[in-house]
Amino acid sequence: EAGVAQSPRYKIIEKRQSVAFWCNPISGHATLYWYQQILGQGPKLLIQFQNNGVVDDSQLPKDRFSAERLKGVDSTLKIQPAKLEDSAVYLCASSSRSGTGGYNEQFFGPGTRLTVL
Amino acid sequence: AQSVTQLDSHVSVSEGTPVLLRCNYSSSYSPSLFWYVQHPNKGLQLLLKYTSAATLVKGINGFEAEFKKSETSFHLTKPSAHMSDAAEYFCVVNPNQAGTALIFGKGTTLSVSS
Repeated sequence: EAGVAQSPRYKIIEKRQSVAFWCNPISGHATLYWYQQILGQGPKLLIQFQNNGVVDDSQLPKDRFSAERLKGVDSTLKIQPAKLEDSAVYLCASSSRSGTGGYNEQFFGPGTRLTVL
Repeated sequence: AQSVTQLDSHVSVSEGTPVLLRCNYSSSYSPSLFWYVQHPNKGLQLLLKYTSAATLVKGINGFEAEFKKSETSFHLTKPSAHMSDAAEYFCVVNPNQAGTALIFGKGTTLSVSS
């Protein structure tokens, strides 16, 4: 079974530039998550999708971050414009479902390491 | 509010000696608890999970953890460390509410020396 795919693996940009990250979840997984992991910290949820709808985006800085999952499969996370403090690893994860009735394991991609200069 | 606290940012052991990584949690609900491992330049991998069944949970690679509600703890242990265990370990809580994602601790770096 193929895992969660992310691209690019690394990205270096200047502050105020734009950047986009792509994620392809495990086939059939309805729930997709984007996490931000700043160096020395644990991952923090940015946004959660259930199929193509947003379940939780309470911690997404909406003035500069946006995400979409138009067909309920692939997802794109965009930052525009980037700030120095956005330097982090952006992780995508997927699971077969979310909500009550039991936990479904989240499978993580390798991440995209963003450096903002 | 739900949270996890990993009590050690860095643990160093010798190969063949026991490993103990400590984690305390805070949750208003009956939580699900997990340990994830992250090797350099690799994705997060689930080591083990507690979801209100047996309090002693066995995971992959010889790791296990015990859920202690009275102490609000979920410490990770392994009887004998191996060089390949060197990595970053995260204690994680899922507050068990609909639509709520994982909440990660800050991580513990495990170093294993020969």
